[in-house]
Amino acid sequence: DSGVTQTPKHLITATGQRVTLRCSPRSGDLSVYWYQQSLDQGLQFLIQYYNGEERAKGNILERFSAQQFPDLHSELNLSSLELGDSALYFCASSVSEAEEQYFGPGTRLTVT
Amino acid sequence: AQSVTQLDSQVPVFEEAPVELRCNYSSSVSVYLFWYVQYPNQGLQLLLKYLSGSTLVESINGFEAEFNKSQTSFHLRKPSVHISDTAEYFCAVKDTGGFKTIFGAGTRLFVKA
Repeated sequence: DSGVTQTPKHLITATGQRVTLRCSPRSGDLSVYWYQQSLDQGLQFLIQYYNGEERAKGNILERFSAQQFPDLHSELNLSSLELGDSALYFCASSVSEAEEQYFGPGTRLTVT
Repeated sequence: AQSVTQLDSQVPVFEEAPVELRCNYSSSVSVYLFWYVQYPNQGLQLLLKYLSGSTLVESINGFEAEFNKSQTSFHLRKPSVHISDTAEYFCAVKDTGGFKTIFGAGTRLFVKA
């Protein structure tokens, strides 16, 4: 158990819908990262927050947005969902940006 | 732009044989290097890391990796693998002054009896 929690574990929704994925980092970790993992694209970095501020952006679509709240939990919002958005979404956290990341168990999103 | 190349997408190997998973990165600056492991239906876990100091780093379960600055490589090795080592392994690199960690595409290690 990494100490990072993600909810929900599984999510099935239809195209065009909007969903919110939630992540609680390990106690004391200020950085939160979001990744998308799919069979064809592999592990893709989406976005990183540090103590509430956005620090780095990766291959995140405009239909996706994220935020980190004052209690350090983070949410990833996915809208206008397409079939190709079906993937595992991982959240990770770290104490600082120099340290290793601890990954949550992931949210499996299926868009039908 | 910084990139990480894992040269083998799949590595099948027999139990108790040695294995090397290759990783090369492109960066002209000082870096941190990581290997993560992902077991089936789980998230990634840190296996080992190089931040500074000795170029040879070891994990608690017998893996080791050597940072080679001149060849910009960080290959992962284990002298004798077990069935339980079957997993996907990801190499990752981060500039010491940057924010983003770049992951390789992963190498699927399959240990056969």
